[in-house]
Amino acid sequence: AQKITQTQPGMFVQEKEAVTLDCTYDTSDQSYGLFWYKQPSSGEMIFLIYQGSYDEQNATEGRYSLNFQKARKSANLVISASQLGDSAMYFCAMREPPYGNNRLAFGKGNQVVVIP
Amino acid sequence: EPEVTQTPSHQVTQMGQEVILRCVPISNHLYFYWYRQILGQKVEFLVSFYNNEISEKSEIFDDQFSVERPDGSNFTLKIRSTKLEDSAMYFCASSGLGGMGTQYFGPGTRLLVL
Repeated sequence: AQKITQTQPGMFVQEKEAVTLDCTYDTSDQSYGLFWYKQPSSGEMIFLIYQGSYDEQNATEGRYSLNFQKARKSANLVISASQLGDSAMYFCAMREPPYGNNRLAFGKGNQVVVIP
Repeated sequence: EPEVTQTPSHQVTQMGQEVILRCVPISNHLYFYWYRQILGQKVEFLVSFYNNEISEKSEIFDDQFSVERPDGSNFTLKIRSTKLEDSAMYFCASSGLGGMGTQYFGPGTRLLVL
């Protein structure tokens, strides 16, 4: 069963505007971690932001913030003040217990193109 | 800022040949991983490694695959007899904090099997 769902089609966003990327997840565990990674066209995977399931505050990291709604099982990424360099694929990923099992399960990604 | 490095960046090989992909994890990290991404698809977990042994592997990681930490810095993925369907981007990652920390990925090795 798919654990991470990212269903938005490719998105175009105007430079300096904010964009929200949707991610829903499926788990029966209470303790888990959620991650967002950025993959530009060059191919590398760049860590952006992390949210733990017990974290009461939404994670923020510079222009990135995570809108974490635990009851809805969603962890949407918000990029504020988009820049041309934000054009990339964005992947949501989840890590679940049992501890010692550190594998990340990735979604299919959201494509973002920032236009000037 | 410390980073994960991978070599080579690109590799082209003939079907049936052995390939070794190399990674140098972040120096104080103890947990190491390999993932792969077939073109246009999502990233898939292959294997995790800690304390000189495999801690977990996926169903993709069959007998054709092996991992090794030959010295204090390198972490390798070997594919014994490559198949066409092994063509993918292979990412190495490492983490600290008891393995529950964030996994930092290397730039990847793009493998093409002809």
